[in-house]
Amino acid sequence: QKEVEQDPGPLSVPEGAIVSLNCTYSNSAFQYFMWYRQYSRKGPELLMYTYSSGNKEDGRFTAQVDKSSKYISLFIRDSQPSDSATYLCAMSDGSNYKLTFGKGTLLTVNP
Amino acid sequence: DVKVTQSSRYLVKRTGEKVFLECVQDMDHENMFWYRQDPGLGLRLIYFSYDVKMKEKGDIPEGYSVSREKKERFSLILESASTNQTSMYLCASYRQGNTGELFFGEGSRLTVL
Repeated sequence: QKEVEQDPGPLSVPEGAIVSLNCTYSNSAFQYFMWYRQYSRKGPELLMYTYSSGNKEDGRFTAQVDKSSKYISLFIRDSQPSDSATYLCAMSDGSNYKLTFGKGTLLTVNP
Repeated sequence: DVKVTQSSRYLVKRTGEKVFLECVQDMDHENMFWYRQDPGLGLRLIYFSYDVKMKEKGDIPEGYSVSREKKERFSLILESASTNQTSMYLCASYRQGNTGELFFGEGSRLTVL
């Protein structure tokens, strides 16, 4: 079983749709959870950061962590064409430098 | 504004050439990383440095070496480039004690012919 699983998509939605992106993981020691956004031909940038279980909201973005199910989600409300990018989940147990990344989901929001 | 700068955005090299990829960060971060990113394989860690002159192998160090002579600069070296090293290379930095926020450069797209 891979440590982090993320559906690669591609995912194509109309403008204004609610988008749900997900990752599952196997390592119960993970307690820091992140979503990175990567535009085409650019490096990833941190979008959301969550510690342990629960929800975190930032504008149109909501990150959810369910540690009991080993499942994390990113919701995008009122999606915009500018949200078109690859979204990478990442996680860490906090003991060292190493982040474990999902392979990324390519999202296209059509005007 | 924090910045990680990779000196070359696009490079084309021939098999057997020595390749240097340079990365500079202006955030005084202790930790720096080199990843490669390939379709279907995601981000894979090549090397990591937690201090000047210190380095650790990541998941795929074969065929690569690194140099960190100054805190702000981390170089990735391909001693003898091969076609399977054609990839996007991403440099990142990270403050000690932080638990997740990597700052990435814009990437260096290397093609080996």
